[in-house]
Amino acid sequence: DTEVTQTPKHLVMGMTNKKSLKCEQHMGHRAMYWYKQKAKKPPELMFVYSYEKLSINESVPSRFSPECPNSSLLNLHLHALQPEDSALYLCASSQDGVQGTDTQYFGPGTRLTVL
Amino acid sequence: GENVEQHPSTLSVQEGDSAVIKCTYSDSASNYFPWYKQELGKGPQLIIDIRSNVGEKKDQRIAVTLNKTAKHFSLHITETQPEDSAVYFCAASGGSYIPTFGRGTSLIVHP
Repeated sequence: DTEVTQTPKHLVMGMTNKKSLKCEQHMGHRAMYWYKQKAKKPPELMFVYSYEKLSINESVPSRFSPECPNSSLLNLHLHALQPEDSALYLCASSQDGVQGTDTQYFGPGTRLTVL
Repeated sequence: GENVEQHPSTLSVQEGDSAVIKCTYSDSASNYFPWYKQELGKGPQLIIDIRSNVGEKKDQRIAVTLNKTAKHFSLHITETQPEDSAVYFCAASGGSYIPTFGRGTSLIVHP
């Protein structure tokens, strides 16, 4: 099973709302990733967790707050977002992320619209 | 850091034709090269990958070739079908901690 699941599939929120995106994998992977993807662009890395520890934060604004409660779950907490944050948010996982040459498996994404 | 160039940005073919997408990379330390297919409204799905110790890999109608000396790798799809229509991304990693993606190729297969 190479499935990564994400909820919700779609999310519409106002600029003052607080919401969370959730990601889950049961492949025994120890690295999990959040990406942001704008239309017709490649995914842009936001955060990497390796063995439940945040190992990379690609200078993402503090209105995005990641959390890795355990090795199977990854959350992205959203607060005070801007309309330009509207995008497809992708979660991915890989074996351990230590060498950067692991195969990454992506989830279907959450389509976020900020009004 | 790594820089990955992908061409063409759009590729239109007739059903049954072959399609080739090319990528070049800049970091000679990169040693892992995956290809992803992304259909509309879905996440990227790995379709094939190659590591630097091999020059070619095939999986049914899909093949990838790697030329480490020239720092380029290509995706070949034979006997294209309408369901092959999607955006394809190449990526390179190993030199840096995280993969660098190309800008994507929109493949359109006309029935």
